[in-house]
This record gives sequence, structure tokens and C-alpha cells, in this order.
Amino acid sequence: EIVLTQSPATLSLSPGERATLSCRASQSVSSYLAWYQQKPGQAPRLVIYDASNRATGIPARFSGSGSGTDFTLTISSLEPEDFAVYYCQQRSETFGQGTKLEIK
Amino acid sequence: EVQLVQSGAEVKKPGESLRISCKGSGYSFTSYWISWVRQMPGKGLEWMGRIDPSDSYTNYSPSFQGHVTISADKSITTAYLQWSSLKASDTAMYYCARPDYWGQGTLVTVSS
Repeated sequence: EIVLTQSPATLSLSPGERATLSCRASQSVSSYLAWYQQKPGQAPRLVIYDASNRATGIPARFSGSGSGTDFTLTISSLEPEDFAVYYCQQRSETFGQGTKLEIK
Repeated sequence: EVQLVQSGAEVKKPGESLRISCKGSGYSFTSYWISWVRQMPGKGLEWMGRIDPSDSYTNYSPSFQGHVTISADKSITTAYLQWSSLKASDTAMYYCARPDYWGQGTLVTVSS
């Protein structure tokens, strides 16, 4: 079973700063990696699919990169509504453990 | 509008059986796999398994294989997640997902 490891576990930043979240797979997943955003009390929301494609309605400040085993989600300039937990998922199967993006 | 609408919250006792549902609308139900995802209180997302509604082919996470059953009825565009004997450790929020669209979640509480 492929294991996804996300880092850091918690990221403390201020609005306007750049956020870089990492997801590493235990073996290659090609480009079949998605990122989700989850806010308290809400269902997850798809942010990025196939490693680098923004989902419908996702602002351009969100970008994804990577292939094989190493992936990155970047938020270029944080808005207050971006503070949430972010999960990566491979091939619509296993999830990483999540990165909590909190306000500093 | 694409929607996945899940059944309501459930409170059950250990050993009881349960089936929760996820009704798809606004799209071709047989064209997309439906996954089920568990989220235990205060914890992360866990993929449980998925079904192809066109032929009811399923695959499960090894962690959940044999503990739950995923099924679908394409005639009523509904997917199901069921347990034959619940445990307290099954207490969680359960989501169905397309996965670009998610249901609102079904809270299952198992307590004696």
C-alpha cells in the first residue's frame, strides 16, 4: 500500500505570506495526486487534481507541482479563508495525514 | 448541478447493523466511481474503498476489507456503505465522494 507523508504537520503563517506544503509518496504515483482543503465542520473540497490542475472555482493563487514521489502545493499569497487543513491523496485512494495551515 | 446527498445521522448500539446511503444527481451516475471516506473525531481522512456504479465492481483499502461492504443501485443512483456488526470504534463521520464532489457527510455514533 502506498503511504503518503505530508510535511510540515502544522504551518503557521500570516495573511499575504507564501505557503509551501509537501507530500511525499512511498513509491511513484506518476501525476495521480490530488490536494484537498478542509475547514472545520465542512466536507473536503478538491483544490488540485493530477498534481497541477486547479479544480473548478479554485483561485489562481493555488498551484500544484511535482510527479513521481514528491509533490508541492503552493499558495502564493495567503488570504484569511485559506487557513484550513490540507490533505494530499494518491490515485483517489490513500490520503496523507494532513497539514494544518494556521494563522500566525 | 452535481450533488451527492447522504442519509442522516445515525445512533446505534455495538453489534447492530447499519446501511448509509449517498444519492447522486445532476450527472451520469454510472460514469464516475464513488468512494467512501472515514473521518474519526479530530482525525484525518481515511479512504475506505470505492465502487464503479456501472457494474458494481469494488475495491477496498486493506484496512477496511472485510469490515464494511460497499454497494450501489444504479437504477436509483445511490451508493451504500454497510456494516453487519458495528463497534464503538466505528464512530466517525463518513463521506461519499466522486471525488471532485463530496457528500455532506453522515455522522455515525456507536455507543452502548
